[in-house]
Amino acid sequence: DIQMTQSPSTLSASVGDTVTITCRASQSISSWLAWYQQKPGKAPKLLIYKASSLQNGVPSRFSGSESGTEFTLTISSLQPDDFATYYCHQYNTYPYTFGQGTKLEIK
Amino acid sequence: EVQLVESGGGLVQPGGSLRLSCEASGFSFISYWMHWVRQAPGKGPVWVSRINGDGISTNYADSVKGRFTMSRDNAKNAVYLQMNSLRAEDTAVYYCTRGVDHWGQGTLVTVSS
Repeated sequence: DIQMTQSPSTLSASVGDTVTITCRASQSISSWLAWYQQKPGKAPKLLIYKASSLQNGVPSRFSGSESGTEFTLTISSLQPDDFATYYCHQYNTYPYTFGQGTKLEIK
Repeated sequence: EVQLVESGGGLVQPGGSLRLSCEASGFSFISYWMHWVRQAPGKGPVWVSRINGDGISTNYADSVKGRFTMSRDNAKNAVYLQMNSLRAEDTAVYYCTRGVDHWGQGTLVTVSS
């Protein structure tokens, strides 16, 4: 199975900050990577697909990039609504796998 | 608008069975692979299974292979997950997803005596 190593597990930041979350795949997944935001009691919400494509309706302060097997989610100018848990997800090879999650907390 | 609505969750004893359903609307159902993803309390999502558009091809996570069966009825725009020989570690919210982009609200399965 492809392992997705996500870091950090917890991130403390303030409104207006720019933060970065990283996911490293254990082998090539081409660009078949998605980023999700999840709030308590809710289903994950797609933010980014195919590593860097912004899902319709998602604010442009969210962006994704890739370099080989390392993928990055950047959130610019954090808003109060952005404090949540974020997951990466590879859908190149089944069994599809997820990262362990990053909880973004208010500092 | 794409909508996915799961049902069928509940409390079941270890060794028991449960059938989850997911009703889809708002898109050309037959054109999409559909998936089940589960999330245990306080944990991250875990992919469970997928089925192709005509229902011929299915794949499963090793943890459920031989116990769970995914199927679909394109006339009803629905997918199903038949879960047999349930274990405590199957306790989770089960989500139906359309590819990676749309998820249902989930249905809770609790396996406990």
